[in-house]
Amino acid sequence: QKEVEQDPGPLSVPEGAIVSLNCTYSNSAFQYFMWYRQYSRKGPELLMYTYSSGNKEDGRFTAQVDKSSKYISLFIRDSQPSDSATYLCAMRGNQGGKLIFGQGTELSVKP
Amino acid sequence: GAGVSQSPRYKVAKRGQDVALRCDPISGHVSLFWYQQALGQGPEFLTYFQNEAQLDKSGLPSDRFFAERPEGSVSTLKIQRTQQEDSAVYLCASSPTGQSYGYTFGSGTRLTVV
Repeated sequence: QKEVEQDPGPLSVPEGAIVSLNCTYSNSAFQYFMWYRQYSRKGPELLMYTYSSGNKEDGRFTAQVDKSSKYISLFIRDSQPSDSATYLCAMRGNQGGKLIFGQGTELSVKP
Repeated sequence: GAGVSQSPRYKVAKRGQDVALRCDPISGHVSLFWYQQALGQGPEFLTYFQNEAQLDKSGLPSDRFFAERPEGSVSTLKIQRTQQEDSAVYLCASSPTGQSYGYTFGSGTRLTVV
C-alpha cells in the first residue's frame, strides 16, 4: 500500500462547478501538506500549502487538512476550463527533504 | 534565469547507453531534488542535495543511477546502461532551504529508452 493514496480520475465537471479533490495518507509523521497543479508536459507548480491541521483559502481554492483522519482536500470554486490539469497532493515530515506525492487526479472542466 | 532549467527536454537512448541529465536550479537555492515521474503517476523521489552534499539518495532505483552537484549549483543525474524501465520524465526541483514549504520544479527531461 502506498503512503499517499489519490484517486486518479479522470474527473470531468462543467464550468462553474465546485470541484473536490482528496488524498489519504498513512504516515502520521507528515506535517506539511501541499497541492500542486501540473499541466501537460510541464513540471508541477505549487498551488497551496498547509502546516498541520486546518483550512487555508486563496481565491477560488481552499485546502483542508484533517490529521485525525489522515485526509486532505482541495476545493476549487467556480471552476474554469483553464483549471483543467492534473492535481497532485504532496506531503512531508518536519525534517525537510523529500516530498511524497499522490498519483494525481486528472481534472477536465468543460465550457 | 527565473526558474529551474532542465536539459535536454527530450532524450531518446538505445538500451545500454549512458545518459546525463542536467538541472540548473534557481540561483541561490540551497536544496535540490530529483524526482522520476512515470506516465500517469505522481513524481517519485530519487535524491536530495543541500548545497553540494547529497543528504538522501534512498530513492535511486539501482547503482546505475548516480547524481552529483559538485559546486552546489548545477546538478547532473547520470543513468548508466539504460533499460526500458528507465523511460520516464525526470524532474528537478529547488528550494531556498530544505524547510521550505514548496519546491519550484523544472519542466523535466522526458527520457525514452528504445
